[in-house]
Amino acid sequence: DGGITQSPKYLFRKEGQNVTLSCEQNLNHDAMYWYRQDPGQGLRLIYYSQIVNDFQKGDIAEGYSVSREKKESFPLTVTSAQKNPTAFYLCASPFGRDSGANVLTFGAGSRLTVL
Amino acid sequence: AQKITQTQPGMFVQEKEAVTLDCTYDTSDPSYGLFWYKQPSSGEMIFLIYQGSYDQQNATEGRYSLNFQKARKSANLVISASQLGDSAMYFCAMRDTGAGSYQLTFGKGTKLSVIP
Repeated sequence: DGGITQSPKYLFRKEGQNVTLSCEQNLNHDAMYWYRQDPGQGLRLIYYSQIVNDFQKGDIAEGYSVSREKKESFPLTVTSAQKNPTAFYLCASPFGRDSGANVLTFGAGSRLTVL
Repeated sequence: AQKITQTQPGMFVQEKEAVTLDCTYDTSDPSYGLFWYKQPSSGEMIFLIYQGSYDQQNATEGRYSLNFQKARKSANLVISASQLGDSAMYFCAMRDTGAGSYQLTFGKGTKLSVIP
């Protein structure tokens, strides 16, 4: 079955440390997205990539970095420059439905807590 | 810029009753798509239903239907015959289908609680 795998599910980090969240997809789509969710809030776009070796900043890219060396993988690094990194992080990629409209499909998420 | 507004932070519904979750949107693009997602306490985002701006009929998916009123810029989700498993956060989202990208703009969500 096609899907998106995120790891780790839970992650704890000390202040000043960088941490990398993994996102792997086998939907065979070029586009991938990273969103951040804070409690009681909707999702906000961090970074996205529409093709291998290319990516663009979203609405809240400061303090984050990404790479897109393979179609299947789009890791997100939360750097020490991110002032408030504790959040739930979701990776997504489009999936074509039988009716034709592509729908963003999400991974199970990674919950990052800064101690 | 696109904007999604969900004015109901929380809703309660009796089991087996129908419930409507409100969503209004703002965009200057003529071509767009509207989505509803469900987020249980586990955190996964589950796609429920999609409505294109040029679709003539309201979308339906099983117990879910989308009440699309284009002139009023509203896209309310109707859940019929509520079940205990429907208790979750529900997010309305929009995509500019003319931009060649799949990214979504989300509302802040509505927490639905189904009462036995």
